Amino acid sequence: AQSVAQPEDQVNVAEGNPLTVKCTYSVSGNPYLFWYVQYPNRGLQFLLKYITGDNLVKGSYGFEAEFNKSQTSFHLKKPSALVSDSALYFCAVRGTNTGGFKTIFGAGTRLFVKA
Amino acid sequence: NAGVTQTPKFQVLKTGQSMTLQCAQDMNHNSMYWYRQDPGMGLRLIYYSASEGTTDKGEVPNGYNVSRLNKREFSLRLESAAPSQTSVYFCASSETQGVYEQYFGPGTRLTVT
Repeated sequence: AQSVAQPEDQVNVAEGNPLTVKCTYSVSGNPYLFWYVQYPNRGLQFLLKYITGDNLVKGSYGFEAEFNKSQTSFHLKKPSALVSDSALYFCAVRGTNTGGFKTIFGAGTRLFVKA
Repeated sequence: NAGVTQTPKFQVLKTGQSMTLQCAQDMNHNSMYWYRQDPGMGLRLIYYSASEGTTDKGEVPNGYNVSRLNKREFSLRLESAAPSQTSVYFCASSETQGVYEQYFGPGTRLTVT
């Protein structure tokens, strides 16, 4: 069965410091991996995705994520955090061997960036 | 370009009442989805539509029905609302399945008393 875990409910960082939001997954076949961000009272917005190729994926707003097949992880990173990055972040995964449209979302990690 | 729109934004129902949540997208996407978001549980798929004319159950379909009215519109109906259906509901769309990211509407906050 597919699953995705975001082990931290909340991540706190100081503005200007690097940030990491963790994600691990379990799927059948090769994974398609996504990161989304949700600001208060808004829908989710797509940040970046890994489908195949280079393990380091760059996305919107200076975010990047690294796919690690051996550790089944897809951690979200940013070299220098901004206060405006404070939001709820979701990792999502879909396995290539599953039928239909069953993208599984993690429970979310709240990022708080302090000025 | 409005993207994905949802109506209403807020709704309060009494147990047993019915209602339909409306969703429309203007991106010419083939696939559409309905999710519910509950604290600490992420998003759970209720129903999806791979393409116009098709619908299928997701992870938590009980108590809901859907209609893919045309390529643009995908509605979610609660026939007899229950307090357990208190949640925030999101509609999303994507070009098709698999590698494509989803685009989300602003959500409907539903409270069932």
